[in-house]
Amino acid sequence: AQSVTQLDSQVPVFEEAPVELRCNYSSSVSVYLFWYVQYPNQGLQLLLKYLSGSTLVKGINGFEAEFNKSQTSFHLRKPSVHISDTAEYFCAVSDQPRLSGSARQLTFGSGTQLTVLP
Amino acid sequence: KAGVTQTPRYLIKTRGQQVTLSCSPISGHRSVSWYQQTPGQGLQFLFEYFSETQRNKGNFPGRFSGRQFSNSRSEMNVSTLELGDSALYLCASSIQQGAGFEQYFGPGTRLTVT
Repeated sequence: AQSVTQLDSQVPVFEEAPVELRCNYSSSVSVYLFWYVQYPNQGLQLLLKYLSGSTLVKGINGFEAEFNKSQTSFHLRKPSVHISDTAEYFCAVSDQPRLSGSARQLTFGSGTQLTVLP
Repeated sequence: KAGVTQTPRYLIKTRGQQVTLSCSPISGHRSVSWYQQTPGQGLQFLFEYFSETQRNKGNFPGRFSGRQFSNSRSEMNVSTLELGDSALYLCASSIQQGAGFEQYFGPGTRLTVT
């Protein structure tokens, strides 16, 4: 069974400072990894994904994440945050299926509330 | 392209009633998944449909059911509502991306059970 741990439930940071949101996963097979953002009273928006290839993936809004297989981590980073980045961020994992057309299911972490302070 | 749409956005029901939520996926997406989001349990997978067939189901009681139509639109039904069913219900549609996939979420339906 998979699991995802987001190590920080709340991260306050000042505007224009860098930020890292941590995510570790557990799985017995190869995985796909995702980061989503949720603004108040909205659904989830896909920020970025790791499916294969380069371990450094770039997403929208200046975010990037690095897949580290040996440490089973997929930390999200942004070099300079804005007030508008205040939101909840979710890390998610899905097993790579053995067969194409297999079911798709995301297992989510508990979320990290990022608050950007002026 | 239009995104994933969910109706209604807000719903208030009484214990013991049943409810049906609707989801229209992004055009061309054939996979639709449902998730429940609560403050206590977080985001939990309910089930996934592909070409009108349920491919996967999460650990929820049989009161939670769903279906998918030939146009890929999906509905989920919760019967005999309990207070603990109060949650944000999120629908997501998926598209294949190479060997993997991308999943796009709708705005959700906020269900309150009183």
